[in-house]
Amino acid sequence: AAGVIQSPRHLIKEKRETATLKCYPIPRHDTVYWYQQGPGQDPQFLISFYEKMQSDKGSIPDRFSAQQFSDYHSELNMSSLELGDSALYFCASTDRANEKLFFGSGTQLSVL
Amino acid sequence: DAKTTQPNSMESNEEEPVHLPCNHSTISGTDYIHWYRQLPSQGPEYVIHGLTSNVNNRMASLAIAEDRKSSTLILHRATLRDAAVYYCILRDRNFGNEKLTFGTGTRLTIIP
Repeated sequence: AAGVIQSPRHLIKEKRETATLKCYPIPRHDTVYWYQQGPGQDPQFLISFYEKMQSDKGSIPDRFSAQQFSDYHSELNMSSLELGDSALYFCASTDRANEKLFFGSGTQLSVL
Repeated sequence: DAKTTQPNSMESNEEEPVHLPCNHSTISGTDYIHWYRQLPSQGPEYVIHGLTSNVNNRMASLAIAEDRKSSTLILHRATLRDAAVYYCILRDRNFGNEKLTFGTGTRLTIIP
């Protein structure tokens, strides 16, 4: 069965650069969530989208923005990267009929 | 957000049952109890969820106290592949696609 696809799998950037992370949800899933997980920490909710509209917002820095497109894929745009942004970024998807969230394998972002 | 309390770590011998406790004394009537686990270098994975009655699936069982202020995830026969961080999460479905708020889970170590 198709799972949540995230790209790239690994990304290395330097301070003050920009990065774009992509998430392709499971087909027919209309809701996407983004999470950030720092080293040794628990996943922290960033932002979510339902039917291409932002549905909830967590501890997402102003330097980050995200959107969900007409094909339901989502992109997390990160600007002015800082060393502290180094983390694993997970995307999850679901639909209103589903109690479960399905997570991708994540994008490992390293800011040097 | 309603909060849960779990032991930081637990150990179990391979092929023995494991009981992972979770306290959620401030649970509301509309909160579902969800369990996810995160294997090393992977995204969180759904394990099981329930509202009031005990639940069983192919991965685990969930025992919910009568007052719903605590629950226990039961792995009937632990294998080395069950070594992971297990998260007990309350999710209010009244708000539609409510995000998962991860707390500090239980790191389960399986001893061969």
